[in-house]
Amino acid sequence: RKEVEQDPGPFNVPEGATVAFNCTYSNSASQSFFWYRQDCRKEPKLLMSVYSSGNEDGRFTAQLNRASQYISLLIRDSKLSDSATYLCVVKNDYKLSFGAGTTVTVRA
Amino acid sequence: DTGVSQDPRHKITKRGQNVTFRCDPISEHNRLYWYRQTLGQGPEFLTYFQNEAQLEKSRLLSDRFSAERPKGSFSTLEIQRTEQGDSAMYLCASIVAGGGTLDEQYFGPGTRLTVT
Repeated sequence: RKEVEQDPGPFNVPEGATVAFNCTYSNSASQSFFWYRQDCRKEPKLLMSVYSSGNEDGRFTAQLNRASQYISLLIRDSKLSDSATYLCVVKNDYKLSFGAGTTVTVRA
Repeated sequence: DTGVSQDPRHKITKRGQNVTFRCDPISEHNRLYWYRQTLGQGPEFLTYFQNEAQLEKSRLLSDRFSAERPKGSFSTLEIQRTEQGDSAMYLCASIVAGGGTLDEQYFGPGTRLTVT
């Protein structure tokens, strides 16, 4: 079983729509959680950390459910520039484990 | 540009040849990671260094792979006797260790390896 599993999508949404997707992780002792964004053929970049109480960063909302071991990301008022692959990331000690990514395409 | 650089950006090599990649992390970052990413997958951990010490190697890192960070600054990743299955993007990332559990890893642009 993979350590981090994500719905690969793709999610194809119109501008202004809300899109949400989840990932699950297998190690209940995981300490920290993140969403990274990766544009086509580029390096991953940190989008936001995910806190136990849930957190927002502008149009992005992240939630963590430790009991069920899943993490979610919601994007409100989608922009064309939000088109990317979103990587769910779990940290244990020194190591990051990445999901395979969820592809989001926002169309005009 | 995150401040982490990698060279070369692209490498095409024939099966059986040796290749070496270089990563220059952000100067004050004491921890350096190597990842491999194939199409449709997320980055997979290969190895990491704390200063010049290599502290962990993944099972993905076969005997054909070796990594060094001789002075705790730049790092090299060498693949000997390349195979077609080695074709991937090789990513380097660095952080300041000890910044807490939420410290961000900064990735370089990657080296795309194609083995023909």
